[in-house]
Amino acid sequence: GAGVSQSPSNKVTEKGKDVELRCDPISGHTALYWYRQSLGQGLEFLIYFQGNSAPDKSGLPSDRFSAERTGGSVSTLTIQRTQQEDSAVYLCASSPPGQGGYGYTFGSGTRLTVV
Amino acid sequence: ILNVEQSPQSLHVQEGDSTNFTCSFPSSNFYALHWYRWETAKSPEALFVMTLNGDEKKKGRISATLNTKEGYSYLYIKGSQPEDSATYLCAFVSGGSNYKLTFGKGTLLTVNP
Repeated sequence: GAGVSQSPSNKVTEKGKDVELRCDPISGHTALYWYRQSLGQGLEFLIYFQGNSAPDKSGLPSDRFSAERTGGSVSTLTIQRTQQEDSAVYLCASSPPGQGGYGYTFGSGTRLTVV
Repeated sequence: ILNVEQSPQSLHVQEGDSTNFTCSFPSSNFYALHWYRWETAKSPEALFVMTLNGDEKKKGRISATLNTKEGYSYLYIKGSQPEDSATYLCAFVSGGSNYKLTFGKGTLLTVNP
């Protein structure tokens, strides 16, 4: 596609429910990243996928968070048993191979609200 | 933990004013410094990628400078317009993990007509 596509753009969920956020990166971009911005905070790194390498999961805040990337393309971020502190804007980004340090192309994000 | 600080947190200016904001970052193990512009409900838009000490970059009325030895970058907007209203983010990339951007909290700029 022309850009990084994320869905849904907004999600309201009840505390304790599971949610799935989807990211469709730019075709040919082998690197994919998830970040989130909680209220009053900067963008926080969550996870990085690069090709077939093991992902860098060092930013995932708890074991309720997981992410997959199928076929080297679409990625799904899953949050189980959501808590109110999970409310944030979740951004996905992609970059060409080896170019992450020179900048990403971001999607427009999913705003998650846990009530 | 890498510390990236931006100031001010928010700024209100009048149309036509010039303004600038600061990003400070670790002065060791530098790889790159990024500036992004983020409007609500839109994707963050890349403004500049800066890699060399003393770099100055310009894009229309917006420019940025970089000092890697002292660990700061300035973003300047000349003759602010209402459409410049956005959050301006800087992000530091360390040589230790040169794919991961560590962001500051941003400067929220509001330009009043």
